[in-house]
Amino acid sequence: EAGVVQSPRYKIIEKKQPVAFWCNPISGHNTLYWYRQNLGQGPELLIRYENEEAVDDSQLPKDRFSAERLKGVDSTLKIQPAELGDSAVYLCASNREYNEQFFGPGTRLTVL
Amino acid sequence: AQKVTQAQTEISVVEKEDVTLDCVYETRDTTYYLFWYKQPPSGELVFLIRRNSFDEQNEISGRYSWNFQKSTSSFNFTITASQVVDSAVYFCALSEAGWGGKLIFGQGTELSVKP
Repeated sequence: EAGVVQSPRYKIIEKKQPVAFWCNPISGHNTLYWYRQNLGQGPELLIRYENEEAVDDSQLPKDRFSAERLKGVDSTLKIQPAELGDSAVYLCASNREYNEQFFGPGTRLTVL
Repeated sequence: AQKVTQAQTEISVVEKEDVTLDCVYETRDTTYYLFWYKQPPSGELVFLIRRNSFDEQNEISGRYSWNFQKSTSSFNFTITASQVVDSAVYFCALSEAGWGGKLIFGQGTELSVKP
């Protein structure tokens, strides 16, 4: 069984530039999550999808962040414009059962 | 509100020593799940175990064991005879028992096992 795939693995941009991250969850997993992990911290949820529907986006900074999951499979997380404080690792996960979440390798974003 | 506390920020041991990673949680839910994840230097979070709140049986998997005590809201993780490959950041996490609940993570404990 293939794991959660994310790209790119690393991204360096200047502040005010846009950036996008892509995630392909484990096949058959209908629930998809985006988490952000700041240095030295545990991951924190940004948004959760059930199929195409965003069911929990309460922690997503909607002024600059957006996400979509067209067709209920792949998902894209976008930041526009990026700020220095957005530097972090962005993790995608999908849910098997009992909330056992399987994570991708993450995208490490550096905003200069 | 739900909260997970891992008071040990860093632990350093010598290979073959036993080590216990502490986890204390807070929740008002009567049913919930507890988890441990491993994050090696490569960065990917690896699922280790899930426990249900109604099942306080301890679990052993090879050199790993977990002690869940509802009375003290703790879910501790012990590695017996540690090895260098155990070096990683370990996260304890909590979720509601409903489908798809988000994980609430602790701050993580960085374990360094020296040869």
